[in-house]
Amino acid sequence: QQQVKQSPQSLIVQKGGISIINCAYENTAFDYFPWYQQFPGKGPALLIAIRPDVSEKKEGRFTISFNKSAKQFSLHIMDSQPGDSATYFCAASIQGAQKLVFGQGTRLTINP
Amino acid sequence: DAGVTQSPTHLIKTRGQQVTLRCSPKSGHDTVSWYQQALGQGPQFIFQYYEEEERQRGNFPDRFSGHQFPNYSSELNVNALLLGDSALYLCASSLYRVSDYEQYFGPGTRLTVT
Repeated sequence: QQQVKQSPQSLIVQKGGISIINCAYENTAFDYFPWYQQFPGKGPALLIAIRPDVSEKKEGRFTISFNKSAKQFSLHIMDSQPGDSATYFCAASIQGAQKLVFGQGTRLTINP
Repeated sequence: DAGVTQSPTHLIKTRGQQVTLRCSPKSGHDTVSWYQQALGQGPQFIFQYYEEEERQRGNFPDRFSGHQFPNYSSELNVNALLLGDSALYLCASSLYRVSDYEQYFGPGTRLTVT
């Protein structure tokens, strides 16, 4: 019940296109859903996060869509750029616990 | 604003040895969490420290232990190293308040056990 399942494992998108990464969870106690971006040899960097009281959050080219009834959330990267090429992780945590449960990651490649 | 720092960057140890990794949290943060990230996998939660006490623990054996100092910095100790302990060890810092969930990660320590 603590699992977060992420798909796809890898994704190739043309420059300027939309990158979409999906995650699903089982534990309805999760109430915080961040996305992290990780470059090779670096630690994960917080990109954007959402709580279940809203269905969408946008920050620049990055948007999280959240479907509470389906227990799914997704990251959309608009106008994808080569510099967005990285591994993306979704995660979830329970209120007050601050223990993040991560998905398996998606390796995103943006072709110029 | 100083971010999360970790030392050393890389470490090579032999099976059976012991290792200590160090972390300094982001300025203003009081909570440190440690994660293990195996190659090609998402980070796995090891434990969390606040007010110099272990507050939560993931599914890791007692060979993994930690400490937090009065200045909020933290150490991760691993005893009797196994080959499977080879991974990137990440430290994340945050504020221990219910409404503040954001965790910021350091660059990690790459541990190789031979």
